[in-house]
Amino acid sequence: RKEVEQDPGPFNVPEGATVAFNCTYSNSASQSFFWYRQDCRKEPKLLMSVYSSGNEDGRFTAQLNRASQYISLLIRDSKLSDSATYLCVVNDAEYGNKLVFGAGTILRVKS
Amino acid sequence: ETGVTQSPTHLIKTRGQQVTLRCSSQSGHNTVSWYQQALGQGPQFIFQYYREEENGRGNFPPRFSGLQFPNYSSELNVNALELDDSALYLCASSRASGGAKTQYFGPGTRLLVL
Repeated sequence: RKEVEQDPGPFNVPEGATVAFNCTYSNSASQSFFWYRQDCRKEPKLLMSVYSSGNEDGRFTAQLNRASQYISLLIRDSKLSDSATYLCVVNDAEYGNKLVFGAGTILRVKS
Repeated sequence: ETGVTQSPTHLIKTRGQQVTLRCSSQSGHNTVSWYQQALGQGPQFIFQYYREEENGRGNFPPRFSGLQFPNYSSELNVNALELDDSALYLCASSRASGGAKTQYFGPGTRLLVL
């Protein structure tokens, strides 16, 4: 079983749509959770950290359910510029500064 | 831009050769992590350097080795290249080891092994 699992997509949505991505992780000792965004042939960039209480950054909302080991990302009012691969990331329980990445979910926003 | 730079941007090698990739960390960052990203996959942790010492290693063979210099820049060396080593190699810098500090990625080096 992979440490971090995501639906690879692609998710094809029209501009203005709301889209949700989910992710599960296997190590219950993980302490930190993130969503990174990766544009085609570019490096990953931190989108947002994810907290148990849930957090929001503009059109983006992230949720963490520790009991179910489940992380989600909601994007409202999708823009063409949101088209990218979204990587779910947790820290390794043994080496805290080691990041464990999912394979990513592809989002394509179309006009 | 993150301030993390990597060189070269692209590289083509043949099986059995050796390669050295370089990374300059963001100012003020003393920790560098290296990741390998194969096509269609997420980045996989290779190892991390903190204050010139290896501080954690992923599931990669010993032919993957590294160095960190006093100015916190780092090198990744891969010996006896194999076809499966073809990937995007990313380095990420952060302020300190321990805990999941925010990591900033460089643009990566694309390695093709023929």
